[in-house]
Amino acid sequence: NAGVTQTPKFRVLKTGQSMTLLCAQDMNHEYMYWYRQDPGMGLRLIHYSVGEGTTAKGEVPDGYNVSRLKKQNFLLGLESAAPSQTSVYFCASSYSDRLPQHFGDGTRLSIL
Amino acid sequence: GESVGLHLPTLSVQEGDNSIINCAYSNSASDYFIWYKQESGKGPQFIIDIRSNMDKRQGQRVTVLLNKTVKHLSLQIAATQPGDSAVYFCAENIIGGAGSYQLTFGKGTKLSVIP
Repeated sequence: NAGVTQTPKFRVLKTGQSMTLLCAQDMNHEYMYWYRQDPGMGLRLIHYSVGEGTTAKGEVPDGYNVSRLKKQNFLLGLESAAPSQTSVYFCASSYSDRLPQHFGDGTRLSIL
Repeated sequence: GESVGLHLPTLSVQEGDNSIINCAYSNSASDYFIWYKQESGKGPQFIIDIRSNMDKRQGQRVTVLLNKTVKHLSLQIAATQPGDSAVYFCAENIIGGAGSYQLTFGKGTKLSVIP
């Protein structure tokens, strides 16, 4: 049972490049979330999904897009990367929005 | 500002002593709280949760206390071990704009255990 798996683990991009972060969970969870973590800021919610085919904006959605085509996968896209998007990105999933979320180990993204 | 915050950003304790990590929240309607532990290079790991119909909940070596009157919760770790060294976050489960609940995280407290 792998839980929540994020790929890639590390990535360096140049300003203006695009990329997609993949999150996969094998727990049959309905809810999935993308967060970013910056020093001294805690975790901030970017986008989330309450089920296959649904997405919604979180606290800091600008510059990101997401898709949930399959229940087990939640993709986070950066269309035109900016240095301000340098961060550690965490994916999480849960059975319900009233139960604990389970987190992956993060993707460390640097934008030069 | 953040609705969930921590009184102490860093905490150093002697191995074997008890640790207490505090957290304040501002939304009096919040009814569910979660503590997470994050080790270096890892994602947050669930420790314990508590709902507002309880004042105290115990796990293995950990206890969470909730004081709704002053909107404060704490995480107590008994007989702190070197493996407890990590950053600890409290999270508040609040309803978001789209009608589903979301977690709002505090900035975290770094716990360092002195051998």
